[in-house]
Amino acid sequence: GENVEQHPSTLSVQEGDSAVIKCTYSDSASNYFPWYKQELGKGPQLIIDIRSNVGEKKDQRIAVTLNKTAKHFSLHITETQPEDSAVYFCATEMGGADGLTFGKGTHLIIQP
Amino acid sequence: EAGVAQSPRYKIIEKRQSVAFWCNPISGHATLYWYQQILGQGPKLLIQFQNNGVVDDSQLPKDRFSAERLKGVDSTLKIQPAKLEDSAVYLCASSDQYEQYFGPGTRLTVT
Repeated sequence: GENVEQHPSTLSVQEGDSAVIKCTYSDSASNYFPWYKQELGKGPQLIIDIRSNVGEKKDQRIAVTLNKTAKHFSLHITETQPEDSAVYFCATEMGGADGLTFGKGTHLIIQP
Repeated sequence: EAGVAQSPRYKIIEKRQSVAFWCNPISGHATLYWYQQILGQGPKLLIQFQNNGVVDDSQLPKDRFSAERLKGVDSTLKIQPAKLEDSAVYLCASSDQYEQYFGPGTRLTVT
């Protein structure tokens, strides 16, 4: 089955700096790559996603890049703010509303 | 638009007892998922429904876990009997096609 590796497990950055979280996956059939943000006591919230026919997608301060050849994708957050502090999960899906396979998460800490 | 609703939010039971969780998906979403999230890990898919039929239950421990989705809307997940290792957050999600939207989860503690 699919295996998703996510790094780092913890990331601490100064407010205003950029943060990058990276994921690799094993199954070349995966074609949908969402990123979720999970705050304490809440369910995961979809923040951005990318499909396999696109190399990069941006939404304000958040961007995702995908390299299908190397089977890795990354989340980029610019101009970080205190409210960005949370656990971020990458995930993959084969497409067609299948179940997601998640990474183990990255605890992002924004230092004031 | 209302999100995915789940209840209860918290549940504490003793091992060998039974427990049930309820989920109401986003209106119109045909696909419903149950995930188990153990502390410090990402969610793991337990079962996926398309309308009221099971699409994937390959990771559901069927000796103790069961789930149903009557009339293709609400769903219940049951554990009987519970084990200590079942302590986790149980997340329900629904989808219209690709994007999955999660509920707040039910935190289960088995003592």
